[in-house]
Amino acid sequence: DGGITQSPKYLFRKEGQNVTLSCEQNLNHDAMYWYRQDPGQGLRLIYYSQIVNDFQKGDIAEGYSVSREKKESFPLTVTSAQKNPTAFYLCASSIGGRDLTNYGYTFGSGTRLTVV
Amino acid sequence: DQQVKQNSPSLSVQEGRISILNCDYTNSMFDYFLWYKKYPAEGPTFLISISSIKDKNEDGRFTVFLNKSAKHLSLHIVPSQPGDSAVYFCAARAAYSGAGSYQLTFGKGTKLSVIP
Repeated sequence: DGGITQSPKYLFRKEGQNVTLSCEQNLNHDAMYWYRQDPGQGLRLIYYSQIVNDFQKGDIAEGYSVSREKKESFPLTVTSAQKNPTAFYLCASSIGGRDLTNYGYTFGSGTRLTVV
Repeated sequence: DQQVKQNSPSLSVQEGRISILNCDYTNSMFDYFLWYKKYPAEGPTFLISISSIKDKNEDGRFTVFLNKSAKHLSLHIVPSQPGDSAVYFCAARAAYSGAGSYQLTFGKGTKLSVIP
């Protein structure tokens, strides 16, 4: 079955350390996205990529970095520059272009990052 | 500037009754709207969508109504069930082309609690 996989589900990081969250999809989707969810804040866009080797900053990109070397993969690195990294991180993908079909994005199950 | 607004952070409804979740938007270029459902520690899943050329779309217990003149949409769940208890996100896509055309804009979500 096709889907989008995020790993790990729970991640603990010490202050000052970088950490990378994995996101892999086998849906043959062109576009991929990273969102952050905080209580009362909804979903905030960190980075998105419409095609391999290209990505754009979202609304809250500071302290984060991404790469898109393969169509299937869109890892997110939370750097030590991110002041408040504890959050629930969601990766999503879509066919891309103007055609969102009926469901828009397919989301992964999320990674809960906690800074200790 | 929040373009998609869900003004009710939470809603409680008795089992069997109707749940009405509201969403307002400000961008007149939005042409496609979606509702997602999210359980704790999971990714959102697509629920129902509506194109701006329609004013109603129905899928089983779920109906979405769109009032373009008021820039308002609502999700009706009838009858409500305890398993419907989740956070519901409203999302919208803009019709214009450009850097943001591939993105969905999300509201902050409404937490629905269905009381048995």
